[in-house]
Amino acid sequence: GDSVTQMEGPVTLSEEAFLTINCTYTATGYPSLFWYVQYPGEGLQLLLKATKADDKGSNKGFEATYRKETTSFHLEKGSVQVSDSAVYFCALEAWGGYNKLIFGAGTRLAVHP
Amino acid sequence: DVKVTQSSRYLVKRTGEKVFLECVQDMDHENMFWYRQDPGLGLRLIYFSYDVKMKEKGDIPEGYSVSREKKERFSLILESASTNQTSMYLCASSLVGSSDDEQFFGPGTRLTVL
Repeated sequence: GDSVTQMEGPVTLSEEAFLTINCTYTATGYPSLFWYVQYPGEGLQLLLKATKADDKGSNKGFEATYRKETTSFHLEKGSVQVSDSAVYFCALEAWGGYNKLIFGAGTRLAVHP
Repeated sequence: DVKVTQSSRYLVKRTGEKVFLECVQDMDHENMFWYRQDPGLGLRLIYFSYDVKMKEKGDIPEGYSVSREKKERFSLILESASTNQTSMYLCASSLVGSSDDEQFFGPGTRLTVL
């Protein structure tokens, strides 16, 4: 069945460091791919998405490119801030409609000054 | 802005109790979802609903049921709570036919079963 694998955390970085969080997927067809972010004490919110191969999603300085050949959707940011500290979830839209999502395990990011 | 609200942020119940978790959305979304979030496992879908009175099992429905009598409200029911249902429960909603495909999440209910 469909699945998402993310790199394990926690990831600890200094402010202004470069961030990469790896995400690979297994899926039927070519699903839409998402990154959601969960700030402390809050629910998840959509960070960015891509709907087809070679699409690049971007938001708040974060980027991810839909790579069909490597079945990957890695999240990157050139210069992280303390306020980026959160848990990041990679997800894909499951086959069968109804906008069902399959999530990865989540990666906790801690950025210190 | 879309708003998804959940009835409680924290809940403590005893084993065997019947537990109701309520979720309300204010944007007329057709789809609603219940997930549980556990460390190292991410979010797992318990049930979802695509219309009033319609429901479908997700990946881990055992021990849970749901109710959707009104479009804006989706309830998760634990018929007889057990300690292995201690978790964070997240509700979400989305619009059918939206090109954004975005799910909007509530803040979560942290349930502890003693």
